[in-house]
Amino acid sequence: AQTVTQSQPEMSVQEAETVTLSCTYDTSESDYYLFWYKQPPSRQMILVIRQEAYKQQNATENRFSVNFQKAAKSFSLKISDSQLGDAAMYFCAYRSANTGNQFYFGTGTSLTVIP
Amino acid sequence: DTEVTQTPKHLVMGMTNKKSLKCEQHMGHRAMYWYKQKAKKPPELMFVYSYEKLSINESVPSRFSPECPNSSLLNLHLHALQPEDSALYLCASSQSQGFLRESYTFGSGTRLTVV
Repeated sequence: AQTVTQSQPEMSVQEAETVTLSCTYDTSESDYYLFWYKQPPSRQMILVIRQEAYKQQNATENRFSVNFQKAAKSFSLKISDSQLGDAAMYFCAYRSANTGNQFYFGTGTSLTVIP
Repeated sequence: DTEVTQTPKHLVMGMTNKKSLKCEQHMGHRAMYWYKQKAKKPPELMFVYSYEKLSINESVPSRFSPECPNSSLLNLHLHALQPEDSALYLCASSQSQGFLRESYTFGSGTRLTVV
C-alpha cells in the first residue's frame, strides 16, 4: 500500500522568509502524481502545486516550488517570501491509477507565519 | 461558478436524530466525493459518485447513507450517529474520476457535532 509521510507536524516561519515542508512517500509504481494542498482556517482544501512523476523539472507556482527527488521518493514544498495568508495546514498527497485514482494524504504540517 | 457549496456549515445533532448534509456544484463535474476529517488529521474518503454511480469505502458504517439525486447534487444522510462521528465532513468534485493530473475542488465543509 502507498504511504505518505510528513515528518514535521508543526513548522513556523518569519514573514518574508523561506520555509520548506518535507514529504516522503512509498510506492513501487512509476506513473503517479504528487500534490500539495493547503487547508486554512476557512477549512477549504486548496491546491497549491502538483508534480507528475515523469517530469524531471520541478514544478513552480509563483512563490511555491517543489523539490522532487524521484529516486529518494521525496517531494518537499518550498514557500518563498512567506506571507501571513500562508498560515495553514499543508497536506502532501499521492495519486495513481493503482490507488483507484484516489488521493493518499499525508498527516499534514501546520504552518505558522510570525509577523 | 467555480465553487462547491456545502450546507449547513455547522450541525449539532443527537444520537437519535436524522439529518442530512448537502453538497452542490455547478461546474459540470461528473464525479463527487464525501470525505471525513477529524481534527489535525488528513481527510478520509467515504464515498465516490462517478457519473452518478456509487463507490463505497466498505469501512464506512451504514449509519452514513449517500445520495446523488443528479450530477450537481450530493447528499449525505445521517442516522443514529455516535459521538465519535463528530468531525468535519468535506465534499469535493472533479471533472471525472479518471485523470490523475486533475485536482479536486473542495467545499468548506460541515462541522458536525454528535451529542
